[in-house]
Amino acid sequence: DTGVSQNPRHKITKRGQNVTFRCDPISEHNRLYWYRQTLGQGPEFLTYFQNEAQLEKSRLLSDRFSAERPKGSFSTLEIQRTEQGDSAMYLCASSLGGTSGYNEQFFGPGTRLTVL
Amino acid sequence: AQSVTQLDSQVPVFEEAPVELRCNYSSSVSVYLFWYVQYPNQGLQLLLKYLSGSTLVESINGFEAEFNKSQTSFHLRKPSVHISDTAEYFCAAMKTSYDKVIFGPGTSLSVIP
Repeated sequence: DTGVSQNPRHKITKRGQNVTFRCDPISEHNRLYWYRQTLGQGPEFLTYFQNEAQLEKSRLLSDRFSAERPKGSFSTLEIQRTEQGDSAMYLCASSLGGTSGYNEQFFGPGTRLTVL
Repeated sequence: AQSVTQLDSQVPVFEEAPVELRCNYSSSVSVYLFWYVQYPNQGLQLLLKYLSGSTLVESINGFEAEFNKSQTSFHLRKPSVHISDTAEYFCAAMKTSYDKVIFGPGTSLSVIP
């Protein structure tokens, strides 16, 4: 257990429905990252936050995806009008901030999304 | 763009045999390099990392990796594998200390009794 928690752990939904996932980072970590891992592939970066500011978004993050970190603590990732191609494991990671030196990213257990 | 390549998608190996999982990265700038492990139905765990200094880095469970700048490689090795090493192994890189992690596609290591 890295200390990063994600809920729910599993989500099954029908195509076209909206889903929302939550990530609670390690409490003193001010950076939070979202990744997506499809079957047989390595995780791919989606977006990251420094405190409440969303500083980078991948081109993988289509208009149907939105992420927030309103108070600089937990974060939510919402997918609107889900498609079967959205089926994947969604991973959250957090790290300490700082512009020098290495800060390890700690990964949560992930939320597995299945879109029927 | 930075990328990480793992040439072997699956590596079967007998218990107590040596293993090498290959990783190459492409980058024109200095990088941090990592190996992550994902055991069945578990989350990603950092196995070892290269930040700077000695090019040979070791994990607590007997794995080692060597950073080779001229060959842009960071291969993972273990002299004698155990059944419990069966897992998915991901090579990864970061451009800076606060950047996103770029993962390779992964290598599935299966240890055969």
